[in-house]
Amino acid sequence: EDQVTQSPEALRLQEGESSSLNCSYTVSGLRGLFWYRQDPGKGPEFLFTLYSAGEEKEKERLKATLTKKESFLHITAPKPEDSATYLCAVQSRNGANSKLTFGKGITLSVRP
Amino acid sequence: EAQVTQNPRYLITVTGKKLTVTCSQNMNHEYMSWYRQDPGLGLRQIYYSMNVEVTDKGDVPEGYKVSRKEKRNFPLILESPSPNQTSLYFCASSLRDRGRITGYNEQFFGPGTRLTVL
Repeated sequence: EDQVTQSPEALRLQEGESSSLNCSYTVSGLRGLFWYRQDPGKGPEFLFTLYSAGEEKEKERLKATLTKKESFLHITAPKPEDSATYLCAVQSRNGANSKLTFGKGITLSVRP
Repeated sequence: EAQVTQNPRYLITVTGKKLTVTCSQNMNHEYMSWYRQDPGLGLRQIYYSMNVEVTDKGDVPEGYKVSRKEKRNFPLILESPSPNQTSLYFCASSLRDRGRITGYNEQFFGPGTRLTVL
């Protein structure tokens, strides 16, 4: 069974204070690892897909990296508008279902 | 604008009263899926559909039905809702994964439907 564990559950940062969010996973054949951002009362918004260990992707202040066991979402010099819940999900190669198995999310709060 | 829409956005109902939550996408996606999101449990898949007339159970299908008669629509049906189905529901869609061709399986999510069953 695919599993995703995210840590910490919540993170409070001062504006400009860089940090990293962790996503540990176990999956029977990784098809892709996804990062989503979710604002209160809204649906998850796609950020990145990573397919193989060593891959990195960047978008503004966010950078996602992937190893064989975990992924990190690095936030450089965050701003209050980066406050949200960040979800990590994996998709396995088993079967035709494109199901995403999600972690419980990390709630990030950035203080001005 | 490419999007997934859900209706209604909010619904309060009573136990046993049949209801349908609609989901529609305008991206010509083959794959569609329903998830529910509960505090402490994260997002869990209810049902999915690989294409028209092709549906299958996800992890938590009990108490739900779906149909896929048109490519763009994937309604979620609760024949006899119960309080334990009180949750936040999301519909998602994507292109069907073409095997080793990557970059096609990003899932787009709808805005959510908050359902309360009394």
